[in-house]
Amino acid sequence: QSVLTQPPSVSGAPGQRVTISCTGSSSNIGAGYDVHWYQQLPGTAPKLLIYGNSNRPSGVPDRFSGSKSGTSASLAITGLQAEDEADYYCQSYDSSLRVFGGGTKLTVL
Amino acid sequence: EVQLVESGGGLVQPGGSLRLSCAASGFTFSSYEMNWVRQAPGKGLEWVSYISSSGSTIYYADSVKGRFTISRDNAKNSLYLQMNSLRAEDTAVYYCARDSVGIGGNYFDYWGQGTLVTVSS
Repeated sequence: QSVLTQPPSVSGAPGQRVTISCTGSSSNIGAGYDVHWYQQLPGTAPKLLIYGNSNRPSGVPDRFSGSKSGTSASLAITGLQAEDEADYYCQSYDSSLRVFGGGTKLTVL
Repeated sequence: EVQLVESGGGLVQPGGSLRLSCAASGFTFSSYEMNWVRQAPGKGLEWVSYISSSGSTIYYADSVKGRFTISRDNAKNSLYLQMNSLRAEDTAVYYCARDSVGIGGNYFDYWGQGTLVTVSS
């Protein structure tokens, strides 16, 4: 059981908007720790997608956005494209140790 | 260009040992904190261990505490993970990941390609 809870799967058609939630508690996200998001394309290493709740590293399209409120965070992807099909993981801290969500598989229909 | 290249994975029997290495290039290795993160086959990511830039501060996940040892050699731009008393549940791809400082908590800004460790008799 992951400390951070994500839906196992989400799906959407090309061009649509999807969101992936990351639910924590008062000992992690609710304690003020930032949430970061990673994208893992099939057969590859994870890649940083969003850091500090809502910041995009250079090279990440602005179709990807992040937000945080209370004990939860969300990743939104607009204008869904076939190449967005991947696993997405949120990451934060709990009791000063790094923790991940269980991951969400995004399927582009 | 930042590069992290892991090596040392392979097949090992339960109870055995293995030492993973991560060769870093393209940045000043001695200035960065580093981590090991693993992913069991078909499963999610699990943070394993952290080491500060000087090596003076180290943390482990409870699942590996007392069995795994993280270390680094800044002169060789290398990160290591000594894994002892290996169990079947340690089977995973092991990634080294660079830490980037965040106001509300660090994050992993670069990852290696991973090395597979299989624990089986």
